[in-house]
Amino acid sequence: DAGVIQSPRHEVTEMGQEVTLRCKPISGHDYLFWYRQTMMRGLELLIYFNNNVPIDDSGMPEDRFSAKMPNASFSTLKIQPSEPRDSAVYFCASTISRFSYNEQFFGPGTRLTVL
Amino acid sequence: GDSVTQMEGPVTLSEEAFLTINCTYTATGYPSLFWYVQYPGEGLQLLLKATKADDKGSNKGFEATYRKETTSFHLEKGSVQVSDSAVYFCALSWDTPLVFGKGTRLSVIA
Repeated sequence: DAGVIQSPRHEVTEMGQEVTLRCKPISGHDYLFWYRQTMMRGLELLIYFNNNVPIDDSGMPEDRFSAKMPNASFSTLKIQPSEPRDSAVYFCASTISRFSYNEQFFGPGTRLTVL
Repeated sequence: GDSVTQMEGPVTLSEEAFLTINCTYTATGYPSLFWYVQYPGEGLQLLLKATKADDKGSNKGFEATYRKETTSFHLEKGSVQVSDSAVYFCALSWDTPLVFGKGTRLSVIA
């Protein structure tokens, strides 16, 4: 298995532009998570899905952030409009079943820079 | 709510030194405990885990024992290598998504 795939790996954009980050989870995994990592805040859970349905989006910082999972093999995280404070590494992770015991598999991350 | 506290870094050690990274947790249930490692430029990956009290997780020479009486899950390695340089995250899960500590950066110098 190729693992969790994220694209792009690096994104540089200007303030006010729309940014779309993409994730393909491991086949057969029912849960998908989006995280943001910064030096100041560490690793933050933004939103997670179960069987393509958003379960908890309380970590999404503002209405500028939105996430979708149209099918079991694809998810997007969109920022519109982007701001310099959104600069961070964004990780997608998936796991096979409910939370306890099971390993979350992380993608390599997308490093976002907003100028 | 559930939380994880781990020692602040960075930690700098010489090769072959003994490593301890402290981790304590607060949880209302009976969580599973995890150590994840993040190598430079990569995502997190599971290093080891323990699912109940007194369990010992081990992998790649690293060990951690689930201590319910002290609510701790300290990471240890007897002899670190340069290749162990990374950020280490303690985490717990009890009927919730993983709750992570802030991470401890380890640098091992030859």
